[in-house]
Amino acid sequence: GAVVSQHPSWVICKSGTSVKIECRSLDFQATTMFWYRQFPKQSLMLMATSNEGSKATYEQGVEKDKFLINHASLTLSTLTVTSAHPEDSSFYICSARTSRGFQETQYFGPGTRLLVL
Amino acid sequence: TQLLEQSPQFLSIQEGENLTVYCNSSSVFSSLQWYRQEPGEGPVLLVTVVTGGEVKKLKRLTFQFGDARKDSSLHITAAQPGDTGLYLCAFRGFQKLVFGTGTRLLVSP
Repeated sequence: GAVVSQHPSWVICKSGTSVKIECRSLDFQATTMFWYRQFPKQSLMLMATSNEGSKATYEQGVEKDKFLINHASLTLSTLTVTSAHPEDSSFYICSARTSRGFQETQYFGPGTRLLVL
Repeated sequence: TQLLEQSPQFLSIQEGENLTVYCNSSSVFSSLQWYRQEPGEGPVLLVTVVTGGEVKKLKRLTFQFGDARKDSSLHITAAQPGDTGLYLCAFRGFQKLVFGTGTRLLVSP
């Protein structure tokens, strides 16, 4: 199946610093990528939808100035958590969608665990 | 409010037992998907159900879509420790995938 990678897999940072997370579709082009956040023992919550070459669409309650999303190519999207605080500590998962024929399939990355001290 | 409510939230059973996980909503969906997520990993698609009343089987897993397409269930027969994980139902709405509240399953040897 299609592969989506994320880097780094985990990161620890000090409060106030910014952290960039990369999401790559390794063997397909993804016109749309999604960023989710998952707190311990909870489900995935969609943060934003990212389309290549255009601005991301953020879900209600997600601060676009704090979570900067860039989708510069069909295989790469980045999420930057700016001025991170301990409450931003979470598991961040990206997903990439591909269309093959009439079927759309969404593949998920392995996630990035962020711990803000 | 969550569009997809899953129950139970957490289930701890012994190897060999059967179990059923439910995904309920007041909305009608054109399709529902089921995912399994293991700790520290992203979710993996198990199945997509499309037709009301549809039943799909994946080895020991049986998925059913309600007749009215508002709910779905996942039944696992003879659970094994490898079935441990977070089970998520999801629907695609307005070009985005929305997940249910999740059921965390722990199967002990």
